[in-house]
Amino acid sequence: DAGITQSPRHKVTETGTPVTLRCHQTENHRYMYWYRQDPGHGLRLIHYSYGVKDTDKGEVSDGYSVSRSKTEDFLLTLESATSSQTSVYFCAISKTGSDQPQHFGDGTRLSIL
Amino acid sequence: SQQGEEDPQALSIQEGENATMNCSYKTSINNLQWYRQNSGRGLVHLILIRSNEREKHSGRLRVTLDTSKKSSSLLITASRAADTASYFCATDRPNGNEKLTFGTGTRLTIIP
Repeated sequence: DAGITQSPRHKVTETGTPVTLRCHQTENHRYMYWYRQDPGHGLRLIHYSYGVKDTDKGEVSDGYSVSRSKTEDFLLTLESATSSQTSVYFCAISKTGSDQPQHFGDGTRLSIL
Repeated sequence: SQQGEEDPQALSIQEGENATMNCSYKTSINNLQWYRQNSGRGLVHLILIRSNEREKHSGRLRVTLDTSKKSSSLLITASRAADTASYFCATDRPNGNEKLTFGTGTRLTIIP
């Protein structure tokens, strides 16, 4: 299995608080992605990174920010969490983008009360 | 936005039978990928098929791609209880080489 670790695996927090999720890889892959998965919507891309300090928005980026200061770490931040951001969040990595498979972490289940 | 849509949404079959899932998409692609997701886990890559390929095999999996109909199918032969999972197709974008768009998945249940 590809070396991808997401932390925390579960989190419960309150509306209005900041939340940071971490994705750590040991594969030295260039691309890293953050998705959210909700019933009826499948996986939707939030943000992705194509290198250190290089990031771009996905289809559901409002309310989220990301940072990648090292190849191995990709952080997703909810600046002020809302109940609509309750979801399961997945990180994925890929060597060279969409022409190669993506390898996924086991997800973070985030509940915002 | 371009999206793969799987059909059916849910499928239940007896162990040993074959399972077929379909994916349709809207615009041209460079490649299409299939993934499996077991309950509570991340997605696992199964097969990548490129736009110039028509069929690809991996063990009990067979994927076909018909670019004229903008559709793909995933066939699992001789199904096993362990095949119970959700299956997703994902497509790339014609002018981009970085992002995938996932469908909403087919939930496959294998009845022992």
